[in-house]
Amino acid sequence: QKEVEQDPGPLSVPEGAIVSLNCTYSNSAFQYFMWYRQYSRKGPELLMYTYSSGNKEDGRFTAQVDKSSKYISLFIRDSQPSDSATYLCATSYTGANSKLTFGKGITLSVRP
Amino acid sequence: DTGVSQNPRHKITKRGQNVTFRCDPISEHNRLYWYRQTLGQGPEFLTYFQNEAQLEKSRLLSDRFSAERPKGSFSTLEIQRTEQGDSAMYLCASSGTAGSSGNTIYFGEGSWLTVV
Repeated sequence: QKEVEQDPGPLSVPEGAIVSLNCTYSNSAFQYFMWYRQYSRKGPELLMYTYSSGNKEDGRFTAQVDKSSKYISLFIRDSQPSDSATYLCATSYTGANSKLTFGKGITLSVRP
Repeated sequence: DTGVSQNPRHKITKRGQNVTFRCDPISEHNRLYWYRQTLGQGPEFLTYFQNEAQLEKSRLLSDRFSAERPKGSFSTLEIQRTEQGDSAMYLCASSGTAGSSGNTIYFGEGSWLTVV
């Protein structure tokens, strides 16, 4: 079993839809939870990070962590074609600036 | 802030040849990471430096792989006697230590390796 599992894709939604992306992790020692966005043939870029359980909102994006169920979610409201990319969840023991363990990523396509 | 810079961006090499990738991190960042990413997979950790010290290496980093960061600035990743299974994108990333402006990890654009 991989340490971080991510829902398989790809995912295709119409513009304006609410998107829910999910990951689970196995090691309860993980404390930091990140979402990265990766466009084709580019490096990942950090969208959001959260420490421990709870919600964090940034514009159209909301990250949610439930440590009791080891579940990580990213919600995208009013999705746009420019949101089309691969979304990677990542975890860390000691900080958002430390060694990361990634899920395999899910490719999202937002249709105009 | 010019971001994390990686060179070359693309490399095609014949099996058995050696290749070297270079990474220039964000200037004030003292942590530097190498990851490998294959198609359809997330990045996998290879190794990590704090300043010039290599503090952790993954089991993925076989003895054909060597990474250096001689002066705590740029880093090189060398792959000797390349195999087709080494074909991947090699990502470099950097961050600061807790309390600095670099408290998250920033990735470069990656170096694509194709072994034929």
